[in-house]
Amino acid sequence: AQKVTQAQTEISVVEKEDVTLDCVYETRDTTYYLFWYKQPPSGELVFLIRRNSFDEQNEISGRYSWNFQKSTSSFNFTITASQVVDSAVYFCALSEAEWTEYGNKLVFGAGTILRVKS
Amino acid sequence: DAGVIQSPRHEVTEMGQEVTLRCKPISGHNSLFWYRQTMMRGLELLIYFNNNVPIDDSGMPEDRFSAKMPNASFSTLKIQPSEPRDSAVYFCASRKGQVMNTEAFFGQGTRLTVV
Repeated sequence: AQKVTQAQTEISVVEKEDVTLDCVYETRDTTYYLFWYKQPPSGELVFLIRRNSFDEQNEISGRYSWNFQKSTSSFNFTITASQVVDSAVYFCALSEAEWTEYGNKLVFGAGTILRVKS
Repeated sequence: DAGVIQSPRHEVTEMGQEVTLRCKPISGHNSLFWYRQTMMRGLELLIYFNNNVPIDDSGMPEDRFSAKMPNASFSTLKIQPSEPRDSAVYFCASRKGQVMNTEAFFGQGTRLTVV
């Protein structure tokens, strides 16, 4: 069964600090996709990134970067030079590849609350 | 594209009453998910549909919860009778295709308060 663990319930940092959000997953499949979503105080869930299990190259998008380590089943998210606007709940999610005619479900971790103080 | 539309945005009801939450997925998306978010449990998957067919309802907490998807553009989540512990934010999400590589798009959620 697929499972996503975000062990950090809440993190507080001061603006301009770097912060890393951890995500560890469990799956029986060799092919799967991982996702990160952001939930700002307004409440909506915003898609940030998807990564397939065969692509372990790290990805950088502005101040955001993602480190995928298949050997440790981790997909960590780093925000460089954090800003107050980064304050949100961040969710990691997993979708397995096991093909069924019924599609694949998307399972989320519990989320990490990030508070960035000025 | 209007995105995933949920209604109502807020619902306050008394214990024992029936509550119906509504969702209109993005046109062309054939997977639909209902999630519940609480402080204690985070974001829980309740049920998901593919091509209007319920696939996995193992996350539905009790028989008081039911979900339907009569057509590709509409789904409901019903709680009857409602209880205070059902208070949460309920999200609907839709996804294109049946494969794992597409992201899900979320509605703005319905904040349910049962008093």
